[in-house]
Amino acid sequence: DQQVKQNSPSLSVQEGRISILNCDYTNSMFDYFLWYKKYPAEGPTFLISISSIKDKNEDGRFTVFLNKSAKHLSLHIVPSQPGDSAVYFCAATFTSGTYKYIFGTGTRLKVLA
Amino acid sequence: ETGVTQSPTHLIKTRGQQVTLRCSSQSGHNTVSWYQQALGQGPQFIFQYYREEENGRGNFPPRFSGLQFPNYSSELNVNALELDDSALYLCASSFGGATYNSPLHFGNGTRLTVT
Repeated sequence: DQQVKQNSPSLSVQEGRISILNCDYTNSMFDYFLWYKKYPAEGPTFLISISSIKDKNEDGRFTVFLNKSAKHLSLHIVPSQPGDSAVYFCAATFTSGTYKYIFGTGTRLKVLA
Repeated sequence: ETGVTQSPTHLIKTRGQQVTLRCSSQSGHNTVSWYQQALGQGPQFIFQYYREEENGRGNFPPRFSGLQFPNYSSELNVNALELDDSALYLCASSFGGATYNSPLHFGNGTRLTVT
């Protein structure tokens, strides 16, 4: 049972344009969501998070949007840079007494120079 | 600030053998989690340790076990290795126990190959 889904295995975007990565979840009890970036031969690096009481969170070029009614979140990267080329994972968890992140399968982003 | 470090980087074992993977937490962190990432998949939660006790476990058999030491470093032990155990094993640390979530900080992982 895949509770967190990233339906696009890969995405290619031109440098300077917007990258939009999508993530869907099935468990409405999730109340904290995160995005991680992973380069080859490295561990995932925390990028940005959002609590379910918000619908948007920004950090520089990165913005995460949360649509609770659709159980959907997205990560926008503007403008995209070649160094953003990596695999992006979304993750979901509960903030009340739990301990594990549920990760999606990842989307490989390639930013073309 | 020292990040999460894992050893070894790569490991090759034979089916049926046992393996121990090691992890040092990021300074200031007191909680350690272990994840398994199979090829083409996202990381899957194995278990978490807080105050030297297992604080939650994912859908992994008992032959996966762990320890957390007083300095918050941790070990993951896998007995009776199977071919399907071949994966990247990620250690992550955070600050907080069972009721507080903070972003996990991951190490670079140990690539385990079982032949």
